[in-house]
Amino acid sequence: DTGVSQDPRHKITKRGQNVTFRCDPISEHNRLYWYRQTLGQGPEFLTYFQNEAQLEKSRLLSDRFSAERPKGSFSTLEIQRTEQGDSAMYLCASRTLAGDSDTQYFGPGTRLTVL
Amino acid sequence: GQNIDQPTEMTATEGAIVQINCTYQTSGFNGLFWYQQHAGEAPTFLSYNVLDGLEEKGRFSSFLSRSKGYSYLLLKELQMKDSASYLCAVVDSNYQLIWGAGTKLIIKP
Repeated sequence: DTGVSQDPRHKITKRGQNVTFRCDPISEHNRLYWYRQTLGQGPEFLTYFQNEAQLEKSRLLSDRFSAERPKGSFSTLEIQRTEQGDSAMYLCASRTLAGDSDTQYFGPGTRLTVL
Repeated sequence: GQNIDQPTEMTATEGAIVQINCTYQTSGFNGLFWYQQHAGEAPTFLSYNVLDGLEEKGRFSSFLSRSKGYSYLLLKELQMKDSASYLCAVVDSNYQLIWGAGTKLIIKP
């Protein structure tokens, strides 16, 4: 247990529905990242926050994806009008800006299945 | 473009030693990570190299050569629980992590 939690752990939805995932990072960590991972691939960067500011969003991310971190603590990732290609593991990671460590600590992930 | 290369799959015997290589071409370099990922689970941190040389941590060691764009992860005294995917990731000039596809390590008795 890294201290990063995600909810839900599994989500099954029908194509066209909206889904929302939550991530609670390690409390003192400033940065929060969202990744997507499919079988046999490394994590694919989606977006990241520094405190409440969304600093970067992947060019590959469609407009159906949106993320928020309103109070600089937990974050939500919403996917609207889900498609079968959205089926993947969605990973959240956090890190501190203190010291010289760039290590990102990952949550357990949310596995999304779109039918 | 940015590229991280590592073998797709490797097989080794329990008790033996295995070396997993990673080569990279990225826009800038601010460190290299190795993560372990068991099937269906999230990646967990193993090591971080930013200077050339070998970093040893118990049964696991990681080596970096920045001039060659090369790293390896060395696992000694392999145990069955080491069966997992091993992901190489480079911190680029924008301080973003660029990930390899991972090397699936299969340990046989």
